[in-house]
Amino acid sequence: DQQVKQNSPSLSVQEGRISILNCDYTNSMFDYFLWYKKYPAEGPTFLISISSIKDKNEDGRFTVFLNKSAKHLSLHIVPSQPGDSAVYFCAASANSGNTPLVFGKGTRLSVIA
Amino acid sequence: EAEVAQSPRYKITEKSQAVAFWCDPISGHATLYWYRQILGQGPELLVQFQDESVVDDSQLPKDRFSAERLKGVDSTLKIQPAELGDSAMYLCASGPDSGNTIYFGEGSWLTVV
Repeated sequence: DQQVKQNSPSLSVQEGRISILNCDYTNSMFDYFLWYKKYPAEGPTFLISISSIKDKNEDGRFTVFLNKSAKHLSLHIVPSQPGDSAVYFCAASANSGNTPLVFGKGTRLSVIA
Repeated sequence: EAEVAQSPRYKITEKSQAVAFWCDPISGHATLYWYRQILGQGPELLVQFQDESVVDDSQLPKDRFSAERLKGVDSTLKIQPAELGDSAMYLCASGPDSGNTIYFGEGSWLTVV
């Protein structure tokens, strides 16, 4: 049973607009969440993280929102740029991040110029 | 910026042959992970090391896969014999002892023919 779910396999957004990538989780023990970006034939690159004691974390164009009651998090990218086109993975960990990350299946974002 | 080094980047091997992948984590990182990513899926944990000790290898197919980190620094993942279903990207990641973000290498692509 998938503990981390990314229900949208793909998303297309126009350059300059906002991209919103969603992630749901089922394990209530998860308390640390991360987003990774992956280009083809490369390893995932860490983007941004959030602890369960927060509901928002921002880093430049990237903001992650966490809704613990709904077991839902989202990554907002604004404004979207063509270089943001990649696969985005949501990942979660328990025990303040001291257990191995569990990944979703990813969402492929295409930013159209 | 320090990086996780992996080799080889690409490997084509015949079914039933042996194959090995090498990983050198970021200097000072105590925790090392091997993940496998099949196309269209998220990375899945194979094995986690803390220094030279295996912390979690519950998902490692031990009849054909082995992993070691003898001196608590670099690590080797071996598959013998390789099967067609082993074709995937093998990702190594490392993390600091007190941190909860892990950093991936570029990955090793395996194609079994």
